[in-house]
Amino acid sequence: ELKVEQNPLFLSMQEGKNYTIYCNYSTTSDRLYWYRQDPGKSLESLFVLLSNGAVKQEGRLMASLDTKARLSTLHITAAVHDLSATYFCAVVLTTGTASKLTFGTGTRLQVTL
Amino acid sequence: DAGVTQSPTHLIKTRGQHVTLRCSPISGHKSVSWYQQVLGQGPQFIFQYYEKEERGRGNFPDRFSARQFPNYSSELNVNALLLGDSALYLCASSSGSRNYGYTFGSGTRLTVV
Repeated sequence: ELKVEQNPLFLSMQEGKNYTIYCNYSTTSDRLYWYRQDPGKSLESLFVLLSNGAVKQEGRLMASLDTKARLSTLHITAAVHDLSATYFCAVVLTTGTASKLTFGTGTRLQVTL
Repeated sequence: DAGVTQSPTHLIKTRGQHVTLRCSPISGHKSVSWYQQVLGQGPQFIFQYYEKEERGRGNFPDRFSARQFPNYSSELNVNALLLGDSALYLCASSSGSRNYGYTFGSGTRLTVV
């Protein structure tokens, strides 16, 4: 059974600081997704990482994937309050004709002034 | 172009009742997946449908069922509702191609009392 673990579960950081969220998964997969969720809202797609060594950046967020280590990171640069949300990584598991996302536990990010 | 549409937005039901949730995928997308997100947790996979066929089922009881229609819209049905079924139900739309992403709808918030 595929397990996806994120750490930390909760992150309080000051504006302007840098930090990294880690996502470890237990079974080989070649696709990993990062999503953002605001309280009471749905999931907003941030990044799709398709291959080993993939790196994607959007604004203050940068995601990377190491399929050999089964590790993805989401790096936050110079955090701003608007980044406060819960961030999920999700790994695709394909069995036969089915593909499903298995989500991590989520990291609740709080950016303070 | 419309995104993933889910209805209703909110729903309150009594234990033992039945509920039907609806999802319309992005135009051209043939795959619909359903996820349950309990407060404070990551989404859990319920079903995947592709071209009107069930492709995958998560670890949910038989009270949960779904179907996909010729226009690729989908319904999720839950019978004999329990308090523990209270959650945000998310529908994800994808094209089914190798590099696809999953786009989530705004969700249906189900409260069972």
